[in-house]
Amino acid sequence: GIQVEQSPPDLILQEGANSTLRCNFSDSVNNLQWFHQNPWGQLINLFYIPSGTKQNGRLSATTVATERYSLLYISSSQTTDSGVYFCAVEGGATNKLIFGTGTLLAVQP
Amino acid sequence: SAVISQKPSRDICQRGTSLTIQCQVDSQVTMMFWYRQQPGQSLTLIATANQGSEATYESGFVIDKFPISRPNLTFSTLTVSNMSPEDSSIYLCSVGGIEQFFGPGTRLTVL
Repeated sequence: GIQVEQSPPDLILQEGANSTLRCNFSDSVNNLQWFHQNPWGQLINLFYIPSGTKQNGRLSATTVATERYSLLYISSSQTTDSGVYFCAVEGGATNKLIFGTGTLLAVQP
Repeated sequence: SAVISQKPSRDICQRGTSLTIQCQVDSQVTMMFWYRQQPGQSLTLIATANQGSEATYESGFVIDKFPISRPNLTFSTLTVSNMSPEDSSIYLCSVGGIEQFFGPGTRLTVL
């Protein structure tokens, strides 16, 4: 099956700093989503981005499907950005998401 | 996007007992899924809940341990049977096709 690796596994930032999170996947995908899991466990949809670039406020994402990776950019980080960031992909016409290993982000004031 | 609720939000259970988790959606949806997130780990798909037929389980998950019901297009339940401490996890339901949305999760601790 498809393997999904994320890097870095852990990241500590000072408030106001920028960061880039990476998601590599081992095969072509139909669907790619980025999620933020807050400290209470809730998964928040950030982007549906199987290809191309999208922006939403301080967050943006780029997926280069032909090279099998996606990037999530966080600018001017805030303490509320803390949590785990997951990418998830779907490889066939199954709608089954395969989650990456996650990046644990801590933003310090 | 659909509004998804889960009950209970958390529970502490004794080993050997069973817990049924409910997932309610505010609109009819075709696809509904159940995931497990063990402590400090990523999410793993347990099964696809099919309306009107048996759930489709992923490798490593069996119906006897995780029976699932899907009586209509807005509701599903997942039961965690004969629990052991290894079942301590967050259990999440999700809905959607191309883009999936998740419920708030049920945090289960088994003593």
